[in-house]
Amino acid sequence: KQEVTQIPAALSVPEGENLVLNCSFTDSAIYNLQWFRQDPGKGLTSLLLIQSSQREQTSGRLNASLDKSSGRSTLYIAASQPGDSATYLCAWDSGSARQLTFGSGTQLTVLP
Amino acid sequence: EAQVTQNPRYLITVTGKKLTVTCSQNMNHEYMSWYRQDPGLGLRQIYYSMNVEVTDKGDVPEGYKVSRKEKRNFPLILESPSPNQTSLYFCASSSRWGADTQYFGPGTRLTVL
Repeated sequence: KQEVTQIPAALSVPEGENLVLNCSFTDSAIYNLQWFRQDPGKGLTSLLLIQSSQREQTSGRLNASLDKSSGRSTLYIAASQPGDSATYLCAWDSGSARQLTFGSGTQLTVLP
Repeated sequence: EAQVTQNPRYLITVTGKKLTVTCSQNMNHEYMSWYRQDPGLGLRQIYYSMNVEVTDKGDVPEGYKVSRKEKRNFPLILESPSPNQTSLYFCASSSRWGADTQYFGPGTRLTVL
């Protein structure tokens, strides 16, 4: 069964710092990978979706990359802000299972 | 505004008392699903639906039922809730499976005493 691992589990950085969140998966037969943000008491908000044929996607200060051969994805956040504080989840999709397999998340705190 | 809504947002109930959590989306999405989120276990899929009248089990379907009579609605039914179903529940939808962004509802926090 596919396993999705996110390291670190928690991260605290000062405002303005660039940071990288990591996601690794054991099954390279990936269809797409999504990054989500979860705020306390709220649902998940999709940040970026990378198709298996793509290597990266960008949205504003966020850049997500996908390396199928190594089973890794990274989410790069540039010039972090306190408003970026949230839990970030990556989710793997095989295309056939009709479900997302989620990592356990990285809890990010950006200090003013 | 494109959104997925869930009701109720919070619910405390007792063992064995049937309940329904509603989920509705206004984006004409074909695909809908339910997840539960538990500390240390993450998000796990309960059921999903590829379209009206088409539903299938996810990883943890025991104790749950669903129906998809209309495209916009996908209620989650607990016919005899038990304490191990205390959890945070999320409904999600997308226009089609795989290539499109999943939209999640705000969550329903259920406590079964």
